[in-house]
Amino acid sequence: QVHLVQSGAEVRKPGDSVKVSCKASGYPFADIYMHWVRQTPGQGLEWVGWINPNTGGTNFAQKFQGRVTLTRDTSVSTAYMELPRLEPDDTAVYYCARDFYYDKNGGLDIWGPGTRVTVSS
Amino acid sequence: DNVLTQSPATLSLSPGERATLSCRASQNINSKFLVWYQQKPGQAPRFLIYGASNRATGIPDRFSGSGSGTDFTLTISRLEPEDFAVYYCHLYGGSYTFGQGTKLEV
Repeated sequence: QVHLVQSGAEVRKPGDSVKVSCKASGYPFADIYMHWVRQTPGQGLEWVGWINPNTGGTNFAQKFQGRVTLTRDTSVSTAYMELPRLEPDDTAVYYCARDFYYDKNGGLDIWGPGTRVTVSS
Repeated sequence: DNVLTQSPATLSLSPGERATLSCRASQNINSKFLVWYQQKPGQAPRFLIYGASNRATGIPDRFSGSGSGTDFTLTISRLEPEDFAVYYCHLYGGSYTFGQGTKLEV
């Protein structure tokens, strides 16, 4: 059974940073890209970026380029998203989601339960 | 960037009825990259349809997707109580854009 388990909710002050983890099980972690998506009441679902767990290569939405860091530790099948210089607008639920690519069709097929990050002074 | 616009924002129907949800792209897209998700309160999105018309594993056949170019549709043939949720369309690739969602309510 494929599972993604995320770290628990976080509360931070503006200017702080946060690091969210996503532990995968039930499939070869290094073989499949991992995406990060956030959800806010105002912006809905918003793609943050992906990481290739095999190479560590990353790709980001323009909005997050130069700000978000995606890393992974293949020895524990875990992906990480770090967001520095937090602002109240970063308050959101952050999801990791596994890439799906079959017969030239794409999608995000398995999602973690989400990590709520609250930024408030 | 390609913008996905979903309509209606809210759809009020009853169990047993047919639901038709629309997703319109601002530019032509490859239908292989048009995806639909279902999200219930407090849960992560659930992978429903990929390639515009292919059901994901375990998705009941009352869910179907269609469309090409800029216009795509998710149809639920006979609504079950568990189908009342928010539905999102998504463009896989490029900027990985999501629509703003359609809330399907009783």
